[in-house]
Amino acid sequence: EPEVTQTPSHQVTQMGQEVILRCVPISNHLYFYWYRQILGQKVEFLVSFYNNEISEKSEIFDDQFSVERPDGSNFTLKIRSTKLEDSAMYFCASSPNGTPKLFFGSGTQLSVL
Amino acid sequence: TQLLEQSPQFLSIQEGENLTVYCNSSSVFSSLQWYRQEPGEGPVLLVTVVTGGEVKKLKRLTFQFGDARKDSSLHITAAQTGDTGLYLCAGRLRSNDYKLSFGAGTTVTVRA
Repeated sequence: EPEVTQTPSHQVTQMGQEVILRCVPISNHLYFYWYRQILGQKVEFLVSFYNNEISEKSEIFDDQFSVERPDGSNFTLKIRSTKLEDSAMYFCASSPNGTPKLFFGSGTQLSVL
Repeated sequence: TQLLEQSPQFLSIQEGENLTVYCNSSSVFSSLQWYRQEPGEGPVLLVTVVTGGEVKKLKRLTFQFGDARKDSSLHITAAQTGDTGLYLCAGRLRSNDYKLSFGAGTTVTVRA
């Protein structure tokens, strides 16, 4: 069964450093998303991406965040200058069209020290 | 302010018992979904409900969407240890929204 894959599974970084989280969505999907889950808190929407542009973003997704689809398969989330409060599990998701059916990856656990 | 309130936060039952978890809001949703999340994994979609009053069954799981589309419930009949996990509800306010708003989840533990 096709799945969303995320790398790395764990990322440790120093505060102020840039990180790039990588995702390979399911191949025929058109809509891509990033969500995050701080330990013990609910899953939070960050951004959605369709047709090579951001379609919606939350107030969390400030100028420190950016997304890119550099080729036909990868979807990346960049955090320019990480803060301690960016520590969280980051989930990539994709859907074949605009329906509510999202397929989530296993996540990247980001720890900012 | 929590858009979606889930209750209870934790639920521990014996294998074979029934359980119900709830997802409530003051907002009307275009659709509501239930996910199950295992530790260290992403949420996995169980069901989507879109019509007020809709009931969907998935083996021993029964999902209901409230008539006013503000609330939903998940009922598990004859729970098994494999049902243990975090159950999340998530909703879209408008059908053309990209954003899903998640509840905080109910952690279900089924004891053998």
